[in-house]
Amino acid sequence: GAVVSQHPSRVICKSGTSVKIECRSLDFQATTMFWYRQFPKQSLMLMATSNEGSKATYEQGVEKDKFLINHASLTLSTLTVTSAHPEDSSFYICSARDGRGASKYTDTQYFGPGTRLTVL
Amino acid sequence: KNQVEQSPQSLIILEGKNCTLQCNYTVSPFSNLRWYKQDTGRGPVSLTIMTFSENTKSNGRYTATLDADTKQSSLHITASQLSDSASYICVVSGLPFSGGYNKLIFGAGTRLAVHP
Repeated sequence: GAVVSQHPSRVICKSGTSVKIECRSLDFQATTMFWYRQFPKQSLMLMATSNEGSKATYEQGVEKDKFLINHASLTLSTLTVTSAHPEDSSFYICSARDGRGASKYTDTQYFGPGTRLTVL
Repeated sequence: KNQVEQSPQSLIILEGKNCTLQCNYTVSPFSNLRWYKQDTGRGPVSLTIMTFSENTKSNGRYTATLDADTKQSSLHITASQLSDSASYICVVSGLPFSGGYNKLIFGAGTRLAVHP
């Protein structure tokens, strides 16, 4: 199956610093990528939808100025957590939509391996 | 409100045994239902995806069923292995948005532990 990578896999930073997480689709072009956050023992929560060449769409309650998303190419989207605080510590997962073979009712979305962010 | 509920919340079984996980949803209109396996500290991996016209789909020892009338799905794992220990997440999509993609609604997952 298609592969989506994330970098870094784990990051520890001090409170107040900014952290950038990269999401890449390795063998297909992804016009749409999604960013999720997952707290321990909870399910994934969609933060924003990233479309190549346009502004990201954020879910209700997600601060767009704090979580900056850039989808500069068809294979790369980045999430920057600005001025990170301990409450931003979480598991961040991206997914990329593979439009090949998509129908009206289904499409294929591949998830990255996730990035563990710890803010001290 | 579109919701996806899974049961049980957690489950312990012995290696070699079978088990069935349940998923109920209220998403409407319905587009498709997916089951994912998520190992601890990893991203979800797709097991099956079914549209409203499909009743069952298999992937190796995993068999998913779907009843779109009652809005229920199950994931049956046969001859469990230690490597099956993971969270299993039911994910439902409504009809594609104008952007042409499925917005995924996640259940909380069932945490399965397979013991030797």
